[in-house]
Amino acid sequence: GQNIDQPTEMTATEGAIVQINCTYQTSGFNGLFWYQQHAGEAPTFLSYNVLDGLEEKGRFSSFLSRSKGYSYLLLKELQMKDSASYLCAVRDSNYQLIWGAGTKLIIKP
Amino acid sequence: ETGVTQTPRHLVMGMTNKKSLKCEQHLGHNAMYWYKQSAKKPLELMFVYNFKEQTENNSVPSRFSPECPNSSHLFLHLHTLQPEDSALYLCASSPSGTSGGEEQFFGPGTRLTVL
Repeated sequence: GQNIDQPTEMTATEGAIVQINCTYQTSGFNGLFWYQQHAGEAPTFLSYNVLDGLEEKGRFSSFLSRSKGYSYLLLKELQMKDSASYLCAVRDSNYQLIWGAGTKLIIKP
Repeated sequence: ETGVTQTPRHLVMGMTNKKSLKCEQHLGHNAMYWYKQSAKKPLELMFVYNFKEQTENNSVPSRFSPECPNSSHLFLHLHTLQPEDSALYLCASSPSGTSGGEEQFFGPGTRLTVL
């Protein structure tokens, strides 16, 4: 079966750095996405990786290793507004998105 | 604002009721999706429409009936639901649904409670 694993919840301090990991086992691979979802709101796109390596976008970076079936989302200079759930999703061989259950990130002052 | 709207935002219904969820996208996209999001569970893809044609039905019970009259509108008709169907129902759209790198744009969802 297809499976995406990510931690259920993480806590970090304002101004610090946090890394959210995602491991996947899917039938085929056509890219990996990270989305952010604030409570009661729509998921919004953060990043896309299809080749191995690091993609940087401001305070957020995403890394992919296809051989290891592994990705992480790195958030720097954490702000209170970064408190949200972070969803990892992989596009499989049928171009459908397979989703993880999300990681709830709690930022403390 | 993502360019995808959903109504109603909240819905409470009994098991014998019939109701419909509506989704509209203002992005000129050709693919639209219905997802179910339950607490602490992954997003479950329910239906996919490409150019108004249903291309995916992930073994969804027949008490959920989708309708896509045009590329901008998507409905989910509900009847004789069960309490376990209570969840957040999210609509999304994307340019074509067939390109690996294209992101999906989500609506705010309808919070459904079945009594």
